[in-house]
Formats: sequence, C-alpha cells, structure tokens
Amino acid sequence: LAKTTQPISMDSYEGQEVNITCSHNNIATNDYITWYQQFPSQGPRFIIQGYKTKVTNEVASLFIPADRKSSTLSLPRVSLSDTAVYYCLVGASFYGGSQGNLIFGKGTKLSVKP
Amino acid sequence: NAGVTQTPKFQVLKTGQSMTLQCAQDMNHNSMYWYRQDPGMGLRLIYYSASEGTTDKGEVPNGYNVSRLNKREFSLRLESAAPSQTSVYFCASSFTGSVGNEQFFGPGTRLTVL
Repeated sequence: LAKTTQPISMDSYEGQEVNITCSHNNIATNDYITWYQQFPSQGPRFIIQGYKTKVTNEVASLFIPADRKSSTLSLPRVSLSDTAVYYCLVGASFYGGSQGNLIFGKGTKLSVKP
Repeated sequence: NAGVTQTPKFQVLKTGQSMTLQCAQDMNHNSMYWYRQDPGMGLRLIYYSASEGTTDKGEVPNGYNVSRLNKREFSLRLESAAPSQTSVYFCASSFTGSVGNEQFFGPGTRLTVL
C-alpha cells in the first residue's frame, strides 16, 4: 500500500505562494495522486489530481517528478480562507479498479496569517 | 442537486446500543465509501462499495457493517457501539471512470459513544 508522508503543519502569510510536499515512495504504476482540502467541521473537498509532470487548475498546481515518489501542491497567493488541512492521497487507480487501497495521509495544517 | 447527504448530523449512544448511519447521493455515482476521522488523524476507510450489490472492507472494518441498498444509498451500521467508535463519520461517492477517482464527501456525522 502506498502510504504518504506530509509535514504536520505550515505557516504562511497572505499573498504568498505555498508549496506542500508529499512523499509516497511506494506509489504503484497505476496510482494517481490526489489532493484534498478540509475545513473544520466539513468533509474534504477535492482540489487537484495528477499522474505525472504538472497539472494546473483554477485554484492550484500539482508538480510530480519523473520518479513519482513525491508530489508538491502549490497554492498561489494564499488568503486567510485557505487556512485548512490539506491531504495527499495516493491509490486511486487509473481505471478506478482498486478503490480499497485508498489511504489518506494525516494531512498538513496550513495556517495563513494576515 | 444536494450532492452527498448524511443523517443524522449528531448522535450520542450508550455502549452496546446499535444504530445506522444513512448516506445518499444524487450524482449517479457508482462507488460509495465510509470513512472515520478521529482527532489528529487523517481519514481512514471503513468500507467501500464499487457498485450496487458489492461491498468490500477498507482499513478499519471491525465493528461495522454496511449495506448498499441501491445505487443512491449506502448505510453504515454499528451493531454494538463501543467508546472506541466515537468519531466523525464521512460518507463519500465517486464516479469510477477512466481517469482517477475524485470523491465527493458529505458533511459528516459526529458520533459519541458513552
């Protein structure tokens, strides 16, 4: 099973770019890397997902090196409302056939200060 | 379009009591999941259902049973609640297609077992 390791917490200031790195040394060939955001008392919310290289959407970028043993979530110009826990998830198979091995890391608590 | 709904939002049980947590989704997703989240921990998968009529164990299935009633509904049952089952329970659903496995989460059920 592909477990993940993330920093427990990070601090930032409004307007800065934040990069959160996740380590997943045992990632399988067909595994995707997915990041979720969770606010207190709410369910997690999907942010971005990728398989290799770089993926960008309207809220974040995801950088994945060639060996895929790590990934970096990049949040541009964070605001106070980005204060949340961010989870790195590995194990969603390419063809969606192996949902049983979904593992959430313990998450990174991001605190954005004014 | 309500997404994923869960009932109840809060519940207090005594040790040994039973209860069923209900979950429903209106997105025509074929896969559904139950997670628990304890303080300071990430989400841990209890059971999942890849399609109507099938269920499989996740990381922490002991003490729980599930029923995939139909495509929309996936319930979680505690037959004899224990204090160790005090947690926040999240239901999620996804369309398991050809690209990854984005999951949509419900608002959670906060369960306390005394």
